[in-house]
Amino acid sequence: AQTVTQSQPEMSVQEAETVTLSCTYDTSESNYYLFWYKQPPSRQMILVIRQEAYKQQNATENRFSVNFQKAAKSFSLKISDSQLGDTAMYFCAFMDHNAGNMLTFGGGTRLMVKP
Amino acid sequence: DVKVTQSSRYLVKRTGEKVFLECVQDMDHENMFWYRQDPGLGLRLIYFSYDVKMKEKGDIPEGYSVSREKKERFSLILESASTNQTSMYLCASSLGGQGVDGYTFGSGTRLTVV
Repeated sequence: AQTVTQSQPEMSVQEAETVTLSCTYDTSESNYYLFWYKQPPSRQMILVIRQEAYKQQNATENRFSVNFQKAAKSFSLKISDSQLGDTAMYFCAFMDHNAGNMLTFGGGTRLMVKP
Repeated sequence: DVKVTQSSRYLVKRTGEKVFLECVQDMDHENMFWYRQDPGLGLRLIYFSYDVKMKEKGDIPEGYSVSREKKERFSLILESASTNQTSMYLCASSLGGQGVDGYTFGSGTRLTVV
């Protein structure tokens, strides 16, 4: 079974600065997908970014980018120019390409952006 | 705007009650999922369904059952609620196939069992 580990339960960052959230995973599969989800206080989970394991290029979405290290099984999220609206829980998630649509989630990182 | 709607945002039930959590999606998605969210544990999969009348156990199915009589509706049932089932429950759906677009989530039901 796959496992996803987020080693930082809580983090804080000053507005406009850059922060990196860590995620590692364990799998024997070679073809899979990785996701970062954001859960603001409204509780609505929002997809931030996704990465296909077969793609070497790191995914980016505006101020959000990932550092995908397949050999190290690491998938960190970098948030540039942090904004107050980035305050949320962030979950890293793994999907095995061959095991249907099930997402396995990490324990989450609570990010606080300070003014 | 496509949606996954969970019938209750907050729910308080007594120990031993039978509890129904309802989830409806309007995206014609094949796949539907129920997760529970607890601090430090992230989201853990309870049950999922790939089609009408079909269900599969997730990682923590004990004490729960599900029903999917129609494609758009996926219900989670707590047969006899217990205090250790106090949690946030999240419903999600996704397209069939690879589901590479990830899930669409509901806003969650915070259940308290007293």
